[in-house]
Amino acid sequence: SQQGEEDPQALSIQEGENATMNCSYKTSINNLQWYRQNSGRGLVHLILIRSNEREKHSGRLRVTLDTSKKSSSLLITASRAADTASYFCATDARGGADGLTFGKGTHLIIQP
Amino acid sequence: EPEVTQTPSHQVTQMGQEVILRCVPISNHLYFYWYRQILGQKVEFLVSFYNNEISEKSEIFDDQFSVERPDGSNFTLKIRSTKLEDSAMYFCASSDQRARNEQFFGPGTRLTVL
Repeated sequence: SQQGEEDPQALSIQEGENATMNCSYKTSINNLQWYRQNSGRGLVHLILIRSNEREKHSGRLRVTLDTSKKSSSLLITASRAADTASYFCATDARGGADGLTFGKGTHLIIQP
Repeated sequence: EPEVTQTPSHQVTQMGQEVILRCVPISNHLYFYWYRQILGQKVEFLVSFYNNEISEKSEIFDDQFSVERPDGSNFTLKIRSTKLEDSAMYFCASSDQRARNEQFFGPGTRLTVL
């Protein structure tokens, strides 16, 4: 798989349930970030986790990072219809590279 | 809350024409970026800009592309002679610390090349 690959590619759940999305990457990183994109719109920054952190919370979002497995997960608790969007992880490689490498994203659909 | 803005939201142009996409980064940010997303594909890094010069560019960013910070607030991406395959969503982003902190993205400009 390529740097910043998310799975599943698509996820459909009922409102109120929790949604978990995973991301894997290949190279050593400084940070991993999660972004949300509503259809045809811009990227909204959700959360950044640094390589020396293992878990981070922000509201209904919980992100974990396992650098030994080169993987991260994003958990959205108590999902709402407004959470329907595509979610992307993005990494910046250790060594000072500027550009973020994005995955293909997970398309999340919350059924009312 | 400060945000990155981009204009226009949608640009339609003929193949071979020059286009300039404009961005106003967050005011106290020092690092600026352009990305593109072809419909249905990944967001791809194009170029980063710091201290009035390009600090990094991807293989996509060939001689047809250029960036400029013409004044203290705007950051532009110019495509000299557009091709059909340049049709994409172009996102500007800024950060206050090189790739260590969050990159904040604008809403994008949808470029359609006919």
